[in-house]
Order: sequence, then structure tokens, then C-alpha cells
Amino acid sequence: DSGVTQTPKHLITATGQRVTLRCSPRSGDLSVYWYQQSLDQGLQFLIHYYNGEERAKGNILERFSAQQFPDLHSELNLSSLELGDSALYFCASSGRQGADEKLFFGSGTQLSVL
Amino acid sequence: GEDVEQSLFLSVREGDSSVINCTYTDSSSTYLYWYKQEPGAGLQLLTYIFSNMDMKQDQRLTVLLNKKDKHLSLRIADTQTGDSAIYFCAESQGGATNKLIFGTGTLLAVQP
Repeated sequence: DSGVTQTPKHLITATGQRVTLRCSPRSGDLSVYWYQQSLDQGLQFLIHYYNGEERAKGNILERFSAQQFPDLHSELNLSSLELGDSALYFCASSGRQGADEKLFFGSGTQLSVL
Repeated sequence: GEDVEQSLFLSVREGDSSVINCTYTDSSSTYLYWYKQEPGAGLQLLTYIFSNMDMKQDQRLTVLLNKKDKHLSLRIADTQTGDSAIYFCAESQGGATNKLIFGTGTLLAVQP
């Protein structure tokens, strides 16, 4: 158990809908990262938050947004869903900024858009 | 640029050694990591190496880094059926973010 909690584990929805994925980092960790894993794109970095502030943005669509709350949990919002958004969404946490801090991953949310 | 390549598949017999290879393109990478993903599970950190090291050993795992060739490998000694999984290498560039750029993943199949 990595200590990173993601809910829900599975989500099935329809095209055009909006969903929210939730991540609780390891106790004490200030950074949260979101990744998308799909068969065609592999593991893609979406966004990084550190102590409530956005630190880096990757290949995140404009239909997607994220935030990190004062209690350090994070939510990833996906809107106007398309079939191609079906994927496994991971969050990871680490203790602080910088290259020497390891990322610990949650077990993911499997999103199916029908 | 950010591009990390791995071979797609490796099959070994139980008890043999496995070697999973990875090439990366960003010479500014400071840390390189190996993660394991079992079916239906998240990514488990196996080991990592700092870019100024050539080798790191951790029980059955040996990581070799050739910075000149931008080549990273993971050797698993005495491979067991429980080692069957997808293995990802990843690089980080440091700075204000420790975002990881992942490789394409290598599926390791261990035959009994």
C-alpha cells in the first residue's frame, strides 16, 4: 500500500458528461501529480500541484482541470467527455519539490466513457 | 526532448536472469527510476539511480546506467513467476517539479 488513495476505483459514464476524480496524498506529502494511462498513449503526465499551487502542466486537455485543496487532497475534473478519454487515471504524491523526491502512486481510477 | 524507449516484451524462464533495457534522450535527467505495474494495480517504485552513479544493487535488482549512451537497464536475478508484470523506466529533470517521463513499458513474462 503506497498510502495514496484514489476514489472511485471505477467510473462508467457517457459521452458529454463531467466527472471528478479524487486523490488523497500520503500523509505529509505536499505534491500531487496526475497521470493518464491509455493503450495508445502510454503513461502521460497531466499536471503537478505543490501545496495548492500549480507547478507544471503536461499534455492536459482544456476540457480537463485540476486543483489541490488546503487539506492537500486533489481533484481532477474531466468535462465534455469523449470516448477517447477512457483510460486509467493515476495520481501520485511526493514530499516536496525537487529531483530527489520519489513519487508514490495510487491504484488509479479506471474511467470508461460509453 | 522527452522520449523514453523500451522494448515491448521479454520472456524468461523461472530462475533465469531478466534484463530490461531503456533508452532516454534528455541528458539533463537527474534521477532515473524503475516502476513495476501488476495487472489491475498501480505503479510500484522498485528502485532508482542518481545520474552520477553507474550501478546500484538492491537485493535481486541491479540497475546499470550508461550516461554517455543514455542507456538504463534493470537486471532481475533469479526471476520468479511473481515478477511477471509491466516494467516502466522513468526520468526526471528536477527543478521546480519532479514530474516523471515514463517509458513505453516492457511486459515481462516468466515461464515456470
